[in-house]
Amino acid sequence: GAVVSQHPSRVICKSGTSVKIECRSLDFQATTMFWYRQFPKQSLMLMATSNEGSKATYEQGVEKDKFLINHASLTLSTLTVTSAHPEDSSFYICSADGAGTEAFFGQGTRLTVV
Amino acid sequence: QKEVEQDPGPLSVPEGAIVSLNCTYSNSAFQYFMWYRQYSRKGPELLMYTYSSGNKEDGRFTAQVDKSSKYISLFIRDSQPSDSATYLCAMSVNTGGFKTIFGAGTRLFVKA
Repeated sequence: GAVVSQHPSRVICKSGTSVKIECRSLDFQATTMFWYRQFPKQSLMLMATSNEGSKATYEQGVEKDKFLINHASLTLSTLTVTSAHPEDSSFYICSADGAGTEAFFGQGTRLTVV
Repeated sequence: QKEVEQDPGPLSVPEGAIVSLNCTYSNSAFQYFMWYRQYSRKGPELLMYTYSSGNKEDGRFTAQVDKSSKYISLFIRDSQPSDSATYLCAMSVNTGGFKTIFGAGTRLFVKA
């Protein structure tokens, strides 16, 4: 099946710094990717829809200036958590469609802000 | 009202039991219905995927969709301790990409 690769799988950063997470579709092109966040013992919550060549669409309550999304090519979307704070510590995961049948998920990135 | 409702549990069963997990939804536009399994500190793993009402079987797993009632179920037969995980129902609608909405997830414990 289609593969979505997410990098890094784990990152620890200092409060106030920015962190970039990459999501790549390895064997297919994805005009649309999605970014989710999962807090401990909670479900995955959709943060934003990443559209290749245009601005991302953010869900209600998600700060677009804090979570910068860039979908510069058909195989790569990046999520940058700017000026990270401890409350941003979470599991971030992306998904992309494979041949219009289902969403494939990356392995996820566990962000810890200290 | 949430678009997808799922009892978070936890649900504890003895080994060999039949497990029934359920979700209800409110958006009739959902086209695809999935069940994911997630182990602690890992990403979700797709278990079952269907787009029509009825039953779909894969080994010990059976997914059931009732679009008229907006209700989906996952049955696990002969449950094993290795089935202990969080099970998330998810539903997608094609908005130019498959936007997926997840249920809260049900934590399942299968006791040996």
